[in-house]
Amino acid sequence: NAGVTQTPKFRVLKTGQSMTLLCAQDMNHEYMYWYRQDPGMGLRLIHYSVGEGTTAKGEVPDGYNVSRLKKQNFLLGLESAAPSQTSVYFCASSGYSLGNNEQFFGPGTRLTVL
Amino acid sequence: AQSVSQHNHHVILSEAASLELGCNYSYGGTVNLFWYVQYPGQHLQLLLKYFSGDPLVKGIKGFEAEFIKSKFSFNLRKPSVQWSDTAEYFCAARAGAGSYQLTFGKGTKLSVIP
Repeated sequence: NAGVTQTPKFRVLKTGQSMTLLCAQDMNHEYMYWYRQDPGMGLRLIHYSVGEGTTAKGEVPDGYNVSRLKKQNFLLGLESAAPSQTSVYFCASSGYSLGNNEQFFGPGTRLTVL
Repeated sequence: AQSVSQHNHHVILSEAASLELGCNYSYGGTVNLFWYVQYPGQHLQLLLKYFSGDPLVKGIKGFEAEFIKSKFSFNLRKPSVQWSDTAEYFCAARAGAGSYQLTFGKGTKLSVIP
């Protein structure tokens, strides 16, 4: 049981390049989330999904797109990277039951945009 | 919009000192509350959570938190810290049992001096 995994762990991009971050979970969770973590800002929600085929915007969605084609995977895309997107990205997932809806986090992806 | 405030940006303690980290949330209705810890270079891990019932919640590694509804607070405590507690601590809140979005505080960095 790997929990939540993310690939890649590190990436350096040039301004204007595109990339996709992959999140996978093996806990059969309905909900998945993408956050970015910046110093002194805590975690801010980018996009989230409440089930396969659904996505929704979070607090800071601009410049990002997501897709949830399979229940276990949640992809975060940057179409044209900007230096302001330099950050650590965390994926999380949670189940639906009321007594067990804490979020489980992946190890993070450190992205630098030059 | 819901918000979570953490009072201290950086706390420095000597080993064996007592710890209390403040957290206040803004939501007035039913709320679920969490404390997460992030050790250097690692992902977020759940320390403890409050959904309902006893307002004094005990978590892992000797941490506890008290939910005080009248003060909209959920402060984290530990009677005697260790060097291994050096980490960043995040308070988070979710509005209502049916909601799934977490709002995080900006985090408190704890440094424990041996």
